[in-house]
Amino acid sequence: DAGVIQSPRHEVTEMGQEVTLRCKPISGHDYLFWYRQTMMRGLELLIYFNNNVPIDDSGMPEDRFSAKMPNASFSTLKIQPSEPRDSAVYFCASSLRGSTEAFFGQGTRLTVV
Amino acid sequence: GENVEQHPSTLSVQEGDSAVIKCTYSDSASNYFPWYKQELGKGPQLIIDIRSNVGEKKDQRIAVTLNKTAKHFSLHITETQPEDSAVYFCAASQGFGNEKLTFGTGTRLTIIP
Repeated sequence: DAGVIQSPRHEVTEMGQEVTLRCKPISGHDYLFWYRQTMMRGLELLIYFNNNVPIDDSGMPEDRFSAKMPNASFSTLKIQPSEPRDSAVYFCASSLRGSTEAFFGQGTRLTVV
Repeated sequence: GENVEQHPSTLSVQEGDSAVIKCTYSDSASNYFPWYKQELGKGPQLIIDIRSNVGEKKDQRIAVTLNKTAKHFSLHITETQPEDSAVYFCAASQGFGNEKLTFGTGTRLTIIP
């Protein structure tokens, strides 16, 4: 398996624009997590899904953020409208129920100017 | 919710010496404590983990200790090598092992040749 695949790797956008980050989890994994990494706040869990159903979205910072998982092999994290303070590296991770390891993608570095 | 504190934030060690990173957690219900290593431009990768029913676990040059009473756990790397240079994160969870991981703020470890 190619691991967790995220796209794009880098995204530069202007303030106010909509941004969509994409994630393909490892095949067969039933948990999917979205994390945000910044220097100030470290790694923060934004939301996670189990079998495509959102379980906990308490980490989503504002209504501007939304996440979907329409099927077991695809998830999106959308920011609309984007703001400069959203600049960060966003990671997607997946894991298998009963396993103890979360596998991370390589991340999307988002810059909002 | 869970709060994980990690120290130090940066650590420089002479090659061949040992490195120790310490974490404390707040939620007594947490029972799973993984350590992740993040290399430049990559996502975090699990290197070792420990459950609350175990006090110590070793894997070659890496060991983790857990003190549930004091709510702290530590990562020990012996005979450090240049490839150990990275950012290390501790985390805590009370789920099946990977649900809602709360991460520490990270330690940047530099191995001096």
